[in-house]
Amino acid sequence: DTGVSQDPRHKITKRGQNVTFRCDPISEHNRLYWYRQTLGQGPEFLTYFQNEAQLEKSRLLSDRFSAERPKGSFSTLEIQRTEQGDSAMYLCASSIGTSADTQYFGPGTRLTVL
Amino acid sequence: AQRVTQPEKLLSVFKGAPVELKCNYSYSGSPELFWYVQYSRQRLQLLLRHISRESIKGFTADLNKGETSFHLKKPFAQEEDSAMYYCALINTGGFKTIFGAGTRLFVKA
Repeated sequence: DTGVSQDPRHKITKRGQNVTFRCDPISEHNRLYWYRQTLGQGPEFLTYFQNEAQLEKSRLLSDRFSAERPKGSFSTLEIQRTEQGDSAMYLCASSIGTSADTQYFGPGTRLTVL
Repeated sequence: AQRVTQPEKLLSVFKGAPVELKCNYSYSGSPELFWYVQYSRQRLQLLLRHISRESIKGFTADLNKGETSFHLKKPFAQEEDSAMYYCALINTGGFKTIFGAGTRLFVKA
């Protein structure tokens, strides 16, 4: 499968714990996006990378959230001191890098914070 | 504020009937509009984009800047069209994508 992959697919954690998710984009894609999706809502933009540079971070993200994309390849999203409100589906997408190009989504990581 | 509104959470039609999924947007510039679709147990994928002016799986969408709408239409719905549909916009030359809350389309036999 040469599509976007995400790991893990499911994560259950206790409140206060730290979690890290990984996204592997399509290999030739320069852009990488993270979204959060809660029940009954569409994906909400969290952050965006152009190669290894993080160009925008949503105001939705608190200081507990951080994302990296070392070497412009895979990306990680870390949530520190998780809260029950962080329970959601976290989606990763990648695109080639032209203006408003098609984003290819991964299957998502479902986080449940107990 | 940038916003995408899909007024219908659920739309149920009979097979062969016309279908229209509504999308209205609020944006100060010139956005590019998209429709994404998520079939059962599949990942989110692009259906069509207004800049391409194409018809995909019989679906079309026309951007109406005066009414700030980008409704998705199909003249004859098929059962396999049953899915979750999301309207989205991105600012021209930008990257931040704003999605609507989605409309679930259910096509009955």
